[in-house]
Amino acid sequence: QKEVEQNSGPLSVPEGAIASLNCTYSDRGSQSFFWYRQYSGKSPELIMFIYSNGDKEDGRFTAQLNKASQYVSLLIRDSQPSDSATYLCAVNEGNQFYFGTGTSLTVIP
Amino acid sequence: DTGVSQDPRHKITKRGQNVTFRCDPISEHNRLYWYRQTLGQGPEFLTYFQNEAQLEKSRLLSDRFSAERPKGSFSTLEIQRTEQGDSAMYLCASSLGRRGGNQPQHFGDGTRLSIL
Repeated sequence: QKEVEQNSGPLSVPEGAIASLNCTYSDRGSQSFFWYRQYSGKSPELIMFIYSNGDKEDGRFTAQLNKASQYVSLLIRDSQPSDSATYLCAVNEGNQFYFGTGTSLTVIP
Repeated sequence: DTGVSQDPRHKITKRGQNVTFRCDPISEHNRLYWYRQTLGQGPEFLTYFQNEAQLEKSRLLSDRFSAERPKGSFSTLEIQRTEQGDSAMYLCASSLGRRGGNQPQHFGDGTRLSIL
């Protein structure tokens, strides 16, 4: 059973702070890693993807991958109220994508 | 690029009825996935197509569920004899698969199914 685990939250941060979201996965064969943002009642929207160990930055978002620890994280700098959503971690192995249950983030103005 | 399109957005039906959903992927994407999502959960894999071939199907998927992707373009997901437990958001995603790995998936807006 392939597992992707995330803290469900809720995680609350003040506006302007850094939000840190974490994800662990069970299968060492996992190849690619994705973060999606999902607003209530909407479909997941791709935020970041990362394939190699280390950090990948895109604007206010940084994805971090550590394959040895089977750990992937998402940092959101200068958090905005519009970042309030559920963040889904997804792990790809072969032809399938496995999703965590998501972390609910609230950015307090 | 018009994105992934799903139809209908909402479907309300009585238990025991059949329903069919449609997904139009991003035009150049050869891979198409169907997921089911319930409140508080992440998307759950249902089935996957590469072009017109259905290559994988979840072992959890009842035989009441069937999916097709004729000609490798749009796809349909049919649920026969619907049950209360089928109430969920049904999501379609597409991606461009290349040798050596998957490009990110892009999701449609989903079809919300409610069984009365």
